Amino acid sequence: GEDVEQSLFLSVREGDSSVINCTYTDSSSTYLYWYKQEPGAGLQLLTYIFSNMDMKQDQRLTVLLNKKDKHLSLRIADTQTGDSAIYFCAETVFNDYKLSFGAGTTVTVRA
Amino acid sequence: ETGVTQSPTHLIKTRGQQVTLRCSSQSGHNTVSWYQQALGQGPQFIFQYYREEENGRGNFPPRFSGLQFPNYSSELNVNALELDDSALYLCASSLGQGEGYTFGSGTRLTVV
Repeated sequence: GEDVEQSLFLSVREGDSSVINCTYTDSSSTYLYWYKQEPGAGLQLLTYIFSNMDMKQDQRLTVLLNKKDKHLSLRIADTQTGDSAIYFCAETVFNDYKLSFGAGTTVTVRA
Repeated sequence: ETGVTQSPTHLIKTRGQQVTLRCSSQSGHNTVSWYQQALGQGPQFIFQYYREEENGRGNFPPRFSGLQFPNYSSELNVNALELDDSALYLCASSLGQGEGYTFGSGTRLTVV
């Protein structure tokens, strides 16, 4: 089973903010990542956060990490139609290079 | 700087056959990982290679094997293909942990 869980779907109006949530179970997580996958394409790294950080902002993207609750979120400001995609949360743990992914959240941006 | 390239992009094989997928890592990256992404699911880790040695393996049977070459490119070999092996196979390269993994566009394998 997945160690990383995400809600499956999110619908948002163009111009609004999107918030995608993720929970993880491994307390030895070192890095947490957000990847974007468009139809028929590979994975594009959007951003990542080290586990001792609480927040990271990169242009329209804001990542929040709540270590106590093992909860990670990605906020996309001013959501555009080009943001429609599947978003994956992933983690790596100490001394292990593999990425453990959630099942992905399908984000649909409506006009 | 080139990214990660994978070949072929699409492939159709018959059950029981063998397949080889190829990956060229991003310039300067010495670590290559392979992932299997079934339809509607997140990628699952197959294995990772660092300096031509397998450096970790996920829950995949031995008929999934790999190689890494001195130029850090890599191959994924799957023997005795099964219908459930139909998936998108993704290669990712990195320079150590934490810098982010750069993924290729994947190879779509269909087993019939």
